[in-house]
Amino acid sequence: EAQVTQNPRYLITVTGKKLTVTCSQNMNHEYMSWYRQDPGLGLRQIYYSMNVEVTDKGDVPEGYKVSRKEKRNFPLILESPSPNQTSLYFCASSTMFLWGGELFFGEGSRLTVL
Amino acid sequence: DQQVKQNSPSLSVQEGRISILNCDYTNSMFDYFLWYKKYPAEGPTFLISISSIKDKNEDGRFTVFLNKSAKHLSLHIVPSQPGDSAVYFCAAIGRAGNMLTFGGGTRLMVKP
Repeated sequence: EAQVTQNPRYLITVTGKKLTVTCSQNMNHEYMSWYRQDPGLGLRQIYYSMNVEVTDKGDVPEGYKVSRKEKRNFPLILESPSPNQTSLYFCASSTMFLWGGELFFGEGSRLTVL
Repeated sequence: DQQVKQNSPSLSVQEGRISILNCDYTNSMFDYFLWYKKYPAEGPTFLISISSIKDKNEDGRFTVFLNKSAKHLSLHIVPSQPGDSAVYFCAAIGRAGNMLTFGGGTRLMVKP
C-alpha cells in the first residue's frame, strides 16, 4: 500500500530536549516536505526536499533541521524544542514537481513541548 | 502576510444543498491551485485541482472555479453529503513548482 509513515504520532517533551520525527515513503517520490498545522493558519511549510541531498527552507524553518540521505526518508529534527513548536506536523511526498501531481500526506504527529 | 486566504473559518449546509467554499490569493505568480480535504486524526487528501489556464474543473460532485482577475477560487460541492463534513484547504503552487502555499482552512459541516 502506498503510504507516508510518520513516527511518533504523539509526543510530549520538555523544552530543550532534542527530538526527531521520522518520515518514510514507499512511493519512490523525489519530493518530500514537512508542514505544521496551527489553528487559523492552515498548513505552513517548514522544509522541503526536491531529491536526495537537496533540501530548502519553506516559510517557517526557524528551529528545525532536516536531512535527506536516502530517497525514502526525510526526518525532521528539533535540536532544542520550545513551547512555540507545539503543533501538529505533517510529512508529505510527491513526484518531482507539484504541478498536476498530488501531495501525499502522512497521518500527522502531534507534538507538545512543555 | 498570508498569500492564500480562506475568510470563512466554518460553513454549515443542509444535506442535498450546495456547499460553496471560497479562497482568495494575493500572489499573481501562482500557477496551479488545489483543494485538499482533511478529516480529524488523518492527513489531508487531495480533492481537485485547476491550472491557471482554465477557469473551471469538474470531478463528479466537485467543481472548482478560478477567477484570475479577481484572484479568487471557489469549490462547489453538489449535492452536499454528511460524509463531506471535514476541513477544506485551498492551496497554490508557484511557477517553480516546488512549494505549496495553503490557506487557513474552512470547516464544512453538512447536516442530515
